[in-house]
Amino acid sequence: DAGITQSPRHKVTETGTPVTLRCHQTENHRYMYWYRQDPGHGLRLIHYSYGVKDTDKGEVSDGYSVSRSKTEDFLLTLESATSSQTSVYFCAISPDKNYGYTFGSGTRLTVV
Amino acid sequence: GDSVTQMEGPVTLSEEAFLTINCTYTATGYPSLFWYVQYPGEGLQLLLKATKADDKGSNKGFEATYRKETTSFHLEKGSVQVSDSAVYFCALDNYGQNFVFGPGTRLSVLP
Repeated sequence: DAGITQSPRHKVTETGTPVTLRCHQTENHRYMYWYRQDPGHGLRLIHYSYGVKDTDKGEVSDGYSVSRSKTEDFLLTLESATSSQTSVYFCAISPDKNYGYTFGSGTRLTVV
Repeated sequence: GDSVTQMEGPVTLSEEAFLTINCTYTATGYPSLFWYVQYPGEGLQLLLKATKADDKGSNKGFEATYRKETTSFHLEKGSVQVSDSAVYFCALDNYGQNFVFGPGTRLSVLP
């Protein structure tokens, strides 16, 4: 989507390895979010950020950490990947509350 | 806490049929309501939104009206096309809280 890119688009990794996914925005939006999407579970919030160095946990944060050192970048790290973290990960941005989100195209992560 | 309920489907229709996807919500205060669409292999895209009671959001032939009395935001389209096949998500944004998404409704439109 225009203004928000996720990398990589696809990744296969081995159990126990660390993995970092990147979300980059050019919209200067304050809020950034990481979701995972799984069949039967819909979209679940992992972590979000409301400013540089300001982050908080979502409903499924165990096993994940995030960092936001610049407005435009929000990194999601799987500290030690497990098969249960095989999923499609979406980043989203928003300028403020009640504005709606703009989503990235997603990263498909497979942990083998 | 806040929640969104929508018919899970799948919904299968013939081209040019009328579409309704029901969405109801539970929330304190006055949330904004949204419909998002997800095409295969892509991220979610904002389809339409409404920010206060009785507002009607519309886009690409889709419409939804914010009904506070019934806490509903049903999605409608008068004549669906094969290209409308996708998953549709109802969502709410209650100021100060994070987004709440419904489970999604898969729509398949047959030629």
